[in-house]
Amino acid sequence: NAGVTQTPKFRVLKTGQSMTLLCAQDMNHEYMYWYRQDPGMGLRLIHYSVGEGTTAKGEVPDGYNVSRLKKQNFLLGLESAAPSQTSVYFCASSYGGEDPTDTQYFGPGTRLTVL
Amino acid sequence: RKEVEQDPGPFNVPEGATVAFNCTYSNSASQSFFWYRQDCRKEPKLLMSVYSSGNEDGRFTAQLNRASQYISLLIRDSKLSDSATYLCVVLRTGGFKTIFGAGTRLFVKA
Repeated sequence: NAGVTQTPKFRVLKTGQSMTLLCAQDMNHEYMYWYRQDPGMGLRLIHYSVGEGTTAKGEVPDGYNVSRLKKQNFLLGLESAAPSQTSVYFCASSYGGEDPTDTQYFGPGTRLTVL
Repeated sequence: RKEVEQDPGPFNVPEGATVAFNCTYSNSASQSFFWYRQDCRKEPKLLMSVYSSGNEDGRFTAQLNRASQYISLLIRDSKLSDSATYLCVVLRTGGFKTIFGAGTRLFVKA
């Protein structure tokens, strides 16, 4: 049982390049999330999904797109990378539902640098 | 002003010490509260949920004061392995409004 996995772990991009970050979970969770973490800012929600085929914007969605074609996968795309997108990206998943204490399980993170 | 605020620290304490962290939140519609732990260059992991009546898990005690809109975490008998960043997390009503504090760094010294 791998939990939540993310690929790649590290990536360096040049301004204007595109890339896709892959998140996979094997816990049969309905909900999945993408966050970015910057020094002094805490984790900020980029996009989230409440089920296969659905996505929604979070707090900082600009410059990112997502897709959830399969329940276990949640992809984060950067169409034209900018230095401001240099960050650590975390994917998370949770069971979902109405339980307000629903725990989020995080992947190990992707460290992205945009030059 | 940030919706969830924490003292960034760092807190430097000797082994065996008791240390307390506070977290304040500004949105009164906040529904659920949590403490997560994040080790250096690792992902956050749930430490404990915070209930209105207060709750304890071994050496860790969490308390919630809704009237004053703050949450606290008390660590007793600190261990070297407690060195980490502690994230205060608030979930607002309406779902998917999970707000993470920037974290408080703790260093426990031998």
